[in-house]
Amino acid sequence: ETGVTQTPRHLVMGMTNKKSLKCEQHLGHNAMYWYKQSAKKPLELMFVYSLEERVENNSVPSRFSPECPNSSHLFLHLHTLQPEDSALYLCASSHDISYEQYFGPGTRLTVT
Amino acid sequence: GENVEQHPSTLSVQEGDSAVIKCTYSDSASNYFPWYKQELGKRPQLIIDIRSNVGEKKDQRIAVTLNKTAKHFSLHITETQPEDSAVYFCAASPPPEDSGNTPLVFGKGTRLSVIA
Repeated sequence: ETGVTQTPRHLVMGMTNKKSLKCEQHLGHNAMYWYKQSAKKPLELMFVYSLEERVENNSVPSRFSPECPNSSHLFLHLHTLQPEDSALYLCASSHDISYEQYFGPGTRLTVT
Repeated sequence: GENVEQHPSTLSVQEGDSAVIKCTYSDSASNYFPWYKQELGKRPQLIIDIRSNVGEKKDQRIAVTLNKTAKHFSLHITETQPEDSAVYFCAASPPPEDSGNTPLVFGKGTRLSVIA
């Protein structure tokens, strides 16, 4: 279960903080994804990258900023978050878009 | 774009009974249908998938059936065990050559509880 890794696994931050979530995949995949998982929306797609190009942004607030420096790494930069942003943030990768996705363990984010 | 509906949202069964989860999709071009299982506190993991050139696929106690005409597919778990308790997600995707930049579209999940 080490194909897709995420750090940190847990994060507590205040509303004025800036933090970043990191995802790394060791599967040679070309596509990477960020999902938000909460009780209200079980798997909410946030961002999609294919070959390091962003291909989808599902109306995500600008306080979330993704970065994909290469096909193996994906970041989610966070700033001035709200308490309702507290959730599990899952990263996933796939060979190409529309293929099966492999998920990381997630980062449990709490915004205080 | 594709829209996937999943039912029921929660399901409780007695150990040893069967469980069935159903999904419908809207895009007739979709041809790949995976199912994911997410145990409490863990990541979603692919458990079985089916492509539109077959109508049924089985792997031990789990099976998936696909009806392309009706645009629905189902997950069947037989002889359920407590360790089957989890949230199950279905998904659908058009073929890579047609999808452009369309990733998998997930259903909202079904929370299955197997009561011992």
